[in-house]
Amino acid sequence: GQNIDQPTEMTATEGAIVQINCTYQTSGFNGLFWYQQHAGEAPTFLSYNVLDGLEEKGRFSSFLSRSKGYSYLLLKELQMKDSASYLCAVKDTGGFKTIFGAGTRLFVKA
Amino acid sequence: SAVISQKPSRDICQRGTSLTIQCQVDSQVTMMFWYRQQPGQSLTLIATANQGSEATYESGFVIDKFPISRPNLTFSTLTVSNMSPEDSSIYLCSVVGNGLEPQHFGDGTRLSIL
Repeated sequence: GQNIDQPTEMTATEGAIVQINCTYQTSGFNGLFWYQQHAGEAPTFLSYNVLDGLEEKGRFSSFLSRSKGYSYLLLKELQMKDSASYLCAVKDTGGFKTIFGAGTRLFVKA
Repeated sequence: SAVISQKPSRDICQRGTSLTIQCQVDSQVTMMFWYRQQPGQSLTLIATANQGSEATYESGFVIDKFPISRPNLTFSTLTVSNMSPEDSSIYLCSVVGNGLEPQHFGDGTRLSIL
């Protein structure tokens, strides 16, 4: 079956670093994506991993281990505007469908 | 990435009526998808819109309730038929330029049924 797990909620302090974990079990794998979604808005693409390792993009980094079915999103120098839901998603090999996790709601406090 | 225009952005509808949502992309895209997101929930795939043929529906979604058209590579519509309060949700159009790219989303249609 298809399953993507990530924590429901996390809280972190402004200026700190937070790591949001994601584990997945899917029938196929054609890349792992992270999206940010602010309340009432559409998801926006943050990062993409298809090979093992770390991808860095400014304050955001994403890591993938395909053998472990594991990824994390690292957010550095947290800002209040980073308060949002973060969705882990895996692209299937058939039909290019993307399967989304339930999302992690991140609260950044002062 | 492609610019996706979705309309209407929101609507309030009466029970039993139908509403058609449009999704227009500024460039040709390989794949177009329709998602539903109920309050506080994650994204649920309704169907893949196939150009020139019937959409591919996910389990729990049927063509009679959610007819979809995709006449070309830049445009698709989703109709929510015979609406009930349970259909109150955000409906999102999503596209992929080619198979290896990430999906991008339109701004969504916020639908409330009275």
